[in-house]
Amino acid sequence: SQQGEEDPQALSIQEGENATMNCSYKTSINNLQWYRQNSGRGLVHLILIRSNEREKHSGRLRVTLDTSKKSSSLLITASRAADTASYFCATAPETSGSRLTFGEGTQLTVNP
Amino acid sequence: DTGVSQDPRHKITKRGQNVTFRCDPISEHNRLYWYRQTLGQGPEFLTYFQNEAQLEKSRLLSDRFSAERPKGSFSTLEIQRTEQGDSAMYLCASSLSPGGNVPYDTQYFGPGTRLTVL
Repeated sequence: SQQGEEDPQALSIQEGENATMNCSYKTSINNLQWYRQNSGRGLVHLILIRSNEREKHSGRLRVTLDTSKKSSSLLITASRAADTASYFCATAPETSGSRLTFGEGTQLTVNP
Repeated sequence: DTGVSQDPRHKITKRGQNVTFRCDPISEHNRLYWYRQTLGQGPEFLTYFQNEAQLEKSRLLSDRFSAERPKGSFSTLEIQRTEQGDSAMYLCASSLSPGGNVPYDTQYFGPGTRLTVL
């Protein structure tokens, strides 16, 4: 079963605009990761944020984590048509083990 | 390209047939994972290996599913007596177990095998 929910399910914006996607989860985590998936292809790791971190940046990506609300957000600034993809958050458990539990994803469309 | 590879990329089979998929991880990675993804959903964990040991299995992995990693390198996932509900993308990922200079086992995914059961 899926760990959490992502919001919105679909997002359509114009090139140059910012895109924000949200993720909620249910159990205690060790870290939370964001992945991108182009249509019908494998997942690409974007960024990892640890449970004791609140914000992290990587290039045009900004991730926040609020463990009290069990939620995270991914911001993509100055979006490009090439950013069109599905974006998934995935949580790693606090206890030992390596399974990632994914959300249902946000389909982002960036129009040129 | 030294990323994770999977074979075949696509498989069409008839209900009741057996299928086997192969995954070759990044060479220095000791952990290997299998996930299943259905259309419009996120991947769901099936099982993972550390070296040749299968350390965790999901309840999704019914008796018809078996995974092996005999020499701690490549892995195979076999589905026996396939059912239409098995139609999905099967994703493999690999990682280095945490320790030393590796704080987290960031998982790197292959392109997936798309299974269609008719």
